[in-house]
Amino acid sequence: DVKVTQSSRYLVKRTGEKVFLECVQDMDHENMFWYRQDPGLGLRLIYFSYDVKMKEKGDIPEGYSVSREKKERFSLILESASTNQTSMYLCATQGANIQYFGAGTRLSVL
Amino acid sequence: QQQVKQSPQSLIVQKGGISIINCAYENTAFDYFPWYQQFPGKGPALLIAIRPDVSEKKEGRFTISFNKSAKQFSLHIMDSQPGDSATYFCAARGRGSTLGRLYFGRGTQLTVWP
Repeated sequence: DVKVTQSSRYLVKRTGEKVFLECVQDMDHENMFWYRQDPGLGLRLIYFSYDVKMKEKGDIPEGYSVSREKKERFSLILESASTNQTSMYLCATQGANIQYFGAGTRLSVL
Repeated sequence: QQQVKQSPQSLIVQKGGISIINCAYENTAFDYFPWYQQFPGKGPALLIAIRPDVSEKKEGRFTISFNKSAKQFSLHIMDSQPGDSATYFCAARGRGSTLGRLYFGRGTQLTVWP
């Protein structure tokens, strides 16, 4: 069974904090993705990676960075969290034509 | 600019009825059109997908209809059940896109009343 694990289901942070969201997959997939999901806006792509140490900007990369030091792990970093980054964050991997999603991290920035 | 436009944003259907969700796109380079289903507290999961060389694909109660000339595709859920209540996303992928990047619609929240 495909498994995409996001380290936290819920996270509460303060404005200005540096935030790390972790995602681990066990399928040996090369492609990994970070999305944010907001009501009425759907799934918006933040960053994606097609190999270790490789990354590409998605549609809304501002305020975010990513790290992929190992194939199975893809991290999303909020350098200085702001209230407008309060959202649901979803990680996904790509196998053949299918994207497999984690359960998401609901981040609240106060 | 939104690559895939989805409607309606929300849909309420009675049990046993037909649910229809529509999507439209402009980019003729898209060559793969999946639908994802998301239940509360879960990540989206692939439901059904179609390629533009066929006009329809059916899997159980779920059917995708594809109109290449109109650049539109739709999801039909026959005999809708309360267990179908979820958010549905259509998506599209560019031809030759080895990165597998999908462009998602904004989602439709479906509620099926018993």
